Amino acid sequence: AQSVAQPEDQVNVAEGNPLTVKCTYSVSGNPYLFWYVQYPNRGLQFLLKYITGDNLVKGSYGFEAEFNKSQTSFHLKKPSALVSDSALYFCAVRDLGGSYIPTFGRGTSLIVHP
Amino acid sequence: NAGVTQTPKFQVLKTGQSMTLQCAQDMNHEYMSWYRQDPGMGLRLIHYSVGAGITDQGEVPNGYNVSRSTTEDFPLRLLSAAPSQTSVYFCASRGPGGAGGSGEQYFGPGTRLTVT
Repeated sequence: AQSVAQPEDQVNVAEGNPLTVKCTYSVSGNPYLFWYVQYPNRGLQFLLKYITGDNLVKGSYGFEAEFNKSQTSFHLKKPSALVSDSALYFCAVRDLGGSYIPTFGRGTSLIVHP
Repeated sequence: NAGVTQTPKFQVLKTGQSMTLQCAQDMNHEYMSWYRQDPGMGLRLIHYSVGAGITDQGEVPNGYNVSRSTTEDFPLRLLSAAPSQTSVYFCASRGPGGAGGSGEQYFGPGTRLTVT
């Protein structure tokens, strides 16, 4: 079975400060991990993914995420937040050795204050 | 490429009415899926398809039907609408992304459905 958790419903950060949106996962095999962003009244957009290789993955809009196998985490980070980063962020996981279908977290609302 | 398109953008139905939500993609993706998004519930998978002629149920399939006669189209049918089906519906497709099917999903803009 596969599962993913986003422990924070909302993250608040001041513009210019670093941001972290947390994600932990559980799979029986090796994971494919994804981050998506949803702006108001829009569909989800792909940000980045971890498949294999380097644990630090760089994606769109200056975001990056670090895969940590021992902690089963895939936290999304950005060194300097922008007000325009305010959106809903979803983490998703798919077990390479199991389901063909990804499981999504419940989402974390990121609010960047000017 | 237009990507994933959905129609209509908004719809209001009365309880008991039926309708079809349209979804199309022009990326030749084999895998397509339908999700509903409700506050505090995240995304829940309704139905999915791994290719033309093949569909399967997701987490919340009751009250919905799908078919996949072509690679491009994946319509979602509400058989007899209920207020509990008030939600935002997203269609998504996924490319192969290399060995092991590691491709990311592409989402449509969504259909906001209200059932009264």
